[in-house]
Amino acid sequence: DTGVSQDPRHKITKRGQNVTFRCDPISEHNRLYWYRQTLGQGPEFLTYFQNEAQLEKSRLLSDRFSAERPKGSFSTLEIQRTEQGDSAMYLCASSLAWDFYNEQFFGPGTRLTVL
Amino acid sequence: AQSVTQLGSHVSVSEGALVLLRCNYSSSVPPYLFWYVQYPNQGLQLLLKYTSAATLVKGINGFEAEFKKSETSFHLTKPSAHMSDAAEYFCAVSVMKGAQKLVFGQGTRLTINP
Repeated sequence: DTGVSQDPRHKITKRGQNVTFRCDPISEHNRLYWYRQTLGQGPEFLTYFQNEAQLEKSRLLSDRFSAERPKGSFSTLEIQRTEQGDSAMYLCASSLAWDFYNEQFFGPGTRLTVL
Repeated sequence: AQSVTQLGSHVSVSEGALVLLRCNYSSSVPPYLFWYVQYPNQGLQLLLKYTSAATLVKGINGFEAEFKKSETSFHLTKPSAHMSDAAEYFCAVSVMKGAQKLVFGQGTRLTINP
């Protein structure tokens, strides 16, 4: 297994368009996290799944954002009606639910630019 | 609520010099702490983690960090900087309730001067 993968790595879109990102976690990991990282800041938690259940969402996740993990494996993050403020790096991470310390493994990220 | 503060958004050292990146945490329960490194246009890579087994934690690439409860600190050090250490470094605390998400500091950009 080569770790967490994300696709695409870069996305440029025009304001008002919809975009969808994909994350493939490490295969045996049942927890999956999405974070957003803006320039010069640390990652901020958006949402997380345990298996296919979305168990927590940050207030940062407006109603234009939706995330799914339909079969408990890969996940998608969709942003509808993108705004310039959505420009950021979107990071996905995965971990094992029974890892007491919750060590998270991160993917390379998807950099979104909204023009 | 648990939080992390990294002192110094930018640190510059000479090659071969000591690297010291500062991290202070706030937590009402014994924390689990992490240091991650991020190279340009890449995701985060775990350097080391504190899980209460030992206060001095050794990580990859010659880095280590010491947990000091009395100072609520978890500073990252490396005795001798290498050019390849130039990157962004993030300290994070694991929230132990609910999502068990990571809460990150704002990061410290490390520059190595030849």
